[in-house]
Amino acid sequence: QVQLVESGGGVVQPGRSLRLSCAASGFTFSSYGMYWVRQAPGRGLEWVSFVSFDGNTKDYADSVRGRFTISRDNSKNTLYLQMNSLRPEDTAVYYCAKPSQLLPFHYWGQGTLVTVSP
Amino acid sequence: IVLTQSPGTLSLSPGERATLSCRASQSVYNISLAWYQQKPGQAPRLLIYGASGRATGIPDRFSGSGSGTDFTLTISRLEPEDFAVYYCQQYGSPPYTFGQGTKLEIK
Repeated sequence: QVQLVESGGGVVQPGRSLRLSCAASGFTFSSYGMYWVRQAPGRGLEWVSFVSFDGNTKDYADSVRGRFTISRDNSKNTLYLQMNSLRPEDTAVYYCAKPSQLLPFHYWGQGTLVTVSP
Repeated sequence: IVLTQSPGTLSLSPGERATLSCRASQSVYNISLAWYQQKPGQAPRLLIYGASGRATGIPDRFSGSGSGTDFTLTISRLEPEDFAVYYCQQYGSPPYTFGQGTKLEIK
């Protein structure tokens, strides 16, 4: 079955960088576009970024464009999110999500917490 | 597209019927509207897609309806495990957006 396992979260100071990973299994990773979605503590959900199945098409929310970079390594079945120039408002649980034929955010990982604090 | 959910909090007892609303700032293309359930410390779980389709394994006490700008999630008879936060989400027009959530709590 589909399994998505995020890692790489932690506590980081404002202005610093962090890279998140999402290890995928249970499906043909190279056939699917993938997403990152985040949730600030006690808040709602926000789509962050998308990458196409081959990595050639990428999109970002306005709140992270120019600071975050999504990428993937299909040989390792892994999705990444490079986060630079982090701000306190980037503090959130970051989820990776896989689409299905039904909709974009069908399967979710368990999330990894990023805390941006002095 | 901005999604506004109401009420913010709904207090009901097990066995009662719950009706949650999601209103979009403009028409949702192709009824591309989903509902998710989220419990503390867990990832969102897909309940409904295409406004009214139940995801695999979702009990039939959950039903969705609506089109255009007005959508509803109904839980016909609340079970103790149904008390959680519910989010609607539109995926018809990028950027895909979520409502702010409705917290369903035990009365």
